[in-house]
Amino acid sequence: QVHLVESGGGVVQPGRSLRVSCAASGFIFSNYAMHWVRQAPGKGLEWVAVIWHDGSGTYYGHSVKGRFTISRDNSKNTVSLQMDSLRGDDTAFYYCARGAYGESGDYYDSWGQGTLVTVSS
Amino acid sequence: QSLLTQPPSVSGAPGQRVTISCTGSSSNIGAGYDVHWYQQLPGTAPKLLIYTNNNRPSGVPDRFSASKSGTSASLAITGLQPEDEADYYCQSFDNSLSGSSVFGSGTKVTVL
Repeated sequence: QVHLVESGGGVVQPGRSLRVSCAASGFIFSNYAMHWVRQAPGKGLEWVAVIWHDGSGTYYGHSVKGRFTISRDNSKNTVSLQMDSLRGDDTAFYYCARGAYGESGDYYDSWGQGTLVTVSS
Repeated sequence: QSLLTQPPSVSGAPGQRVTISCTGSSSNIGAGYDVHWYQQLPGTAPKLLIYTNNNRPSGVPDRFSASKSGTSASLAITGLQPEDEADYYCQSFDNSLSGSSVFGSGTKVTVL
């Protein structure tokens, strides 16, 4: 079955960088868009970024655009999120999610367990 | 401030029916974009509950159903069970600004 495992979370100082990754298994990774969704502790869900199945397209939420970069390696079945210029309000659980194609945009049919990123001095 | 508004909480006794609204606008639900729903049990990752307005993935009980009309959507849980106590989120697409996926503000369902 589909398995998504995030890694790389931790505590980082404001203004610094961190890279989180997601290892996928159980499906043909190169056939699917992959997303990152985050959730601040005790808060709701926020879509962060998407990368198309072949890596040819990437899109970002307005709060992270210009600071975060999503990438993927289809040979290793991994998707990553490079987070630069981190701020306190980036503190959240970061989930990778598989995009299922819908006529009006993806929905997320499988999720990882999440990795916690804490931005604090 | 989420572009999709949900009530913060709803509650019901076991066996009752509860509904959760998801109110959007002309740039998301009202523009005809599909609505999807997720369930997040305490301390776990979200899970797809309903996709494309009213389709249930394999394994989701048929006591969960959803509908969409105009600029709003709703999720109904009939025959409420203790294991349904969770947070529920709607999700759609929004074409304002840069255009992106948007989630509802979330609703906590409490089984009394």
